[in-house]
Amino acid sequence: QKEVEQDPGPLSVPEGAIVSLNCTYSNSAFQYFMWYRQYSRKGPELLMYTYSSGNKEDGRFTAQVDKSSKYISLFIRDSQPSDSATYLCAVGLRGADGLTFGKGTHLIIQP
Amino acid sequence: KAGVTQTPRYLIKTRGQQVTLSCSPISGHRSVSWYQQTPGQGLQFLFEYFSETQRNKGNFPGRFSGRQFSNSRSEMNVSTLELGDSALYLCASSDPGLAVYEQYFGPGTRLTVT
Repeated sequence: QKEVEQDPGPLSVPEGAIVSLNCTYSNSAFQYFMWYRQYSRKGPELLMYTYSSGNKEDGRFTAQVDKSSKYISLFIRDSQPSDSATYLCAVGLRGADGLTFGKGTHLIIQP
Repeated sequence: KAGVTQTPRYLIKTRGQQVTLSCSPISGHRSVSWYQQTPGQGLQFLFEYFSETQRNKGNFPGRFSGRQFSNSRSEMNVSTLELGDSALYLCASSDPGLAVYEQYFGPGTRLTVT
């Protein structure tokens, strides 16, 4: 079982829709939860991070962590064509070997 | 502030050769991590350097090595290149004095091994 599972997509939705992106992880010891956005031919860009269960909101983006289910989500409201990208979830442990990433979900927002 | 810069952006090498990639972190950031990204395996952690010392290492063979200089700039080296080393190599910088694991990535170096 991989440490972080993420559906690769592609996920195609119409502009203005609410997008839900999800990951599951296997190690309950993970303490940090992050979402990155990666446009084609660019490096990943940190969108949001959190240390605890619950929700964290930033503009149109909401990150949700459920440690009991080992499930993390990213919601995008009022999706825009510019949101079309690959979204990567990542988990981490303090002092451990870097971040563990999901393989990314390719999101397409249709105008 | 300028972002993380990586040079070169593209590289083509032949099997058996070696390659050195360079990363300049965001000014003030002291930690540099390297990742390999491939379509099959996704993003995989190679190693992290902090204050010129390797602090963490991923599960890659010894052909992959790195170092960090006193100005926090980092290089990674891959010796005896194999076809499977073709990938996007990403460098990320962070400062543990800020939010832990708040890593900022460069644009990457795309390495093609023929």
